[in-house]
Amino acid sequence: DVKVTQSSRYLVKRTGEKVFLECVQDMDHENMFWYRQDPGLGLRLIYFSYDVKMKEKGDIPEGYSVSREKKERFSLILESASTNQTSMYLCASSLMKVQETQYFGPGTRLLVL
Amino acid sequence: LAKTTQPISMDSYEGQEVNITCSHNNIATNDYITWYQQFPSQGPRFIIQGYKTKVTNEVASLFIPADRKSSTLSLPRVSLSDTAVYYCLVGDAWGGYNKLIFGAGTRLAVHP
Repeated sequence: DVKVTQSSRYLVKRTGEKVFLECVQDMDHENMFWYRQDPGLGLRLIYFSYDVKMKEKGDIPEGYSVSREKKERFSLILESASTNQTSMYLCASSLMKVQETQYFGPGTRLLVL
Repeated sequence: LAKTTQPISMDSYEGQEVNITCSHNNIATNDYITWYQQFPSQGPRFIIQGYKTKVTNEVASLFIPADRKSSTLSLPRVSLSDTAVYYCLVGDAWGGYNKLIFGAGTRLAVHP
């Protein structure tokens, strides 16, 4: 069974803080994704990575950056957290194939005060 | 970009069959149709995927008409534990991951 883990289930940070969200997958998947989920908006893609040190912007990359130094780990960084980044953050991974299925972690609920 | 339209919410009762239809008028030739399920405080979970006609697995069935402009997820004999949000996605991994768009989903409530 694919396991995608996220470093925290809940986080509370202050405006202006630098925030790191970590994601680890154990199935040697090439692709990794970061989404945020807000009520009524579904999931929106922030960034994805298809290989180590490779990254691509998703729909809403502003205010975020990512890091993928190892294949199994994908980090989302909020350089200077703002209240509008309060959200549920979901990490996912998938194999590099046409009919890709994404496997999601449990999510991190971030509150920025 | 193949946008999807689903009902915002549905209600059902235990033991009934539930059909959730997703409209995707601009589906491209290479696009697949995928459905995910999400329980509260969890990440989405893959349910089923198809390209055309009918696909069935141990959880659900997916019906896709010949024109592929819509698809219907069918959940047989639902139970309370099927209460969740269901997302329809249309996309092609080789077309770029930005095209895998999760909409707002359909919130299914199953009642006793």
